[in-house]
Amino acid sequence: DAKTTQPPSMDCAEGRAANLPCNHSTISGNEYVYWYRQIHSQGPQYIIHGLKNNETNEMASLIITEDRKSSTLILPHATLRDTAVYYCIVRVAHGNTGKLIFGQGTTLQVKP
Amino acid sequence: NAGVTQTPKFQVLKTGQSMTLQCAQDMNHEYMSWYRQDPGMGLRLIHYSVGAGITDQGEVPNGYNVSRSTTEDFPLRLLSAAPSQTSVYFCASSLQGGVGTDTQYFGPGTRLTVL
Repeated sequence: DAKTTQPPSMDCAEGRAANLPCNHSTISGNEYVYWYRQIHSQGPQYIIHGLKNNETNEMASLIITEDRKSSTLILPHATLRDTAVYYCIVRVAHGNTGKLIFGQGTTLQVKP
Repeated sequence: NAGVTQTPKFQVLKTGQSMTLQCAQDMNHEYMSWYRQDPGMGLRLIHYSVGAGITDQGEVPNGYNVSRSTTEDFPLRLLSAAPSQTSVYFCASSLQGGVGTDTQYFGPGTRLTVL
């Protein structure tokens, strides 16, 4: 089962910041939080990941609470092309590898 | 780099037929994996490989076989197709695959319908 909980859907106005929340209250100390998105049934696309510090790259920012039980993905200036399903994933240990367990994600609709 | 490529893009099978979904990557990644995605659902891990000659089962391995004879290729075989295997199949690869910061890159998917 996925270790994360996300709202099923959200709307955002074009040009505004999109803030996508995620709860992961059972996360372990060495487990990373990853965000992927899937645009119109294409293959998932990596966005960002983090352990405990806030992270920023050219696509987004990731804010992780101090207790690591929740996080927020921020798309600073959402465009219509950001309409997609966004998956918050805790990468769990599986043998000697890390396994991505996908939940159902948040469908973000960016509106003009 | 072409990244992760998958063939075919679409496939229709009859119940009981067998087929192989192809996956290749040109990034010299050690870790490769197969997922399936049913309508309205997230992805579920079928099988994965941490390197040539090494494979292991994921969450939903029944009805599928894999092998990894080269670093580049990771084919998925459906032994006897069933309607329950109608899904979109994604292949992914990453440099190593260990817990931590390794990023997985996904292919465009194969859309399979079993009648």
